[in-house]
Amino acid sequence: GAGVSQSPSNKVTEKGKDVELRCDPISGHTALYWYRQSLGQGLEFLIYFQGNSAPDKSGLPSDRFSAERTGGSVSTLTIQRTQQEDSAVYLCASSFRAANEKLFFGSGTQLSVL
Amino acid sequence: SQQGEEDPQALSIQEGENATMNCSYKTSINNLQWYRQNSGRGLVHLILIRSNEREKHSGRLRVTLDTSKKSSSLLITASRAADTASYFCATWEDSNYQLIWGAGTKLIIKP
Repeated sequence: GAGVSQSPSNKVTEKGKDVELRCDPISGHTALYWYRQSLGQGLEFLIYFQGNSAPDKSGLPSDRFSAERTGGSVSTLTIQRTQQEDSAVYLCASSFRAANEKLFFGSGTQLSVL
Repeated sequence: SQQGEEDPQALSIQEGENATMNCSYKTSINNLQWYRQNSGRGLVHLILIRSNEREKHSGRLRVTLDTSKKSSSLLITASRAADTASYFCATWEDSNYQLIWGAGTKLIIKP
């Protein structure tokens, strides 16, 4: 595609519900990143994919968070049993290779947990 | 963990003036990048400077890198209202697979 696409753009959910956030990276980009950003804060690294593999999952805040990537393309970030502290903007980015390159970001998903 | 640290945290200037933001980091890097973020959503890459470069220009942007001081600066000349945004620096460490991000500088351009 022309750019990194994230859906939904906004998601309002009730505490305790599960949510799925989707990221469609730029075609041909092998590296994919998920970040979380709370209001007025910097970027918090969550997870990185090289192809379909996630070499490091240590950034995931708790075992309620999981992510997968299939076909070396689309990635899904799942948050189970959402809590109010999960409210944030979730950003996805991709790059052609894994290191030393610039990232292309999607517009993010604003998650609000009531 | 956040390695890059920007200062100032916030900067408010008049349209037409120059804006300077600084970034410091702690370890050896491969390159340093600057990104802009409007309205708290997606970030846009502005410029990348490699560790063996000292200065780089792109339009009204000028970036410098001092590896001895582990610092970088971003200069925006002749600022415009549309430059109002948050600006983040990020570094690729020599032996890492991810960018390390600073907390950002919030720039406000007053008309």
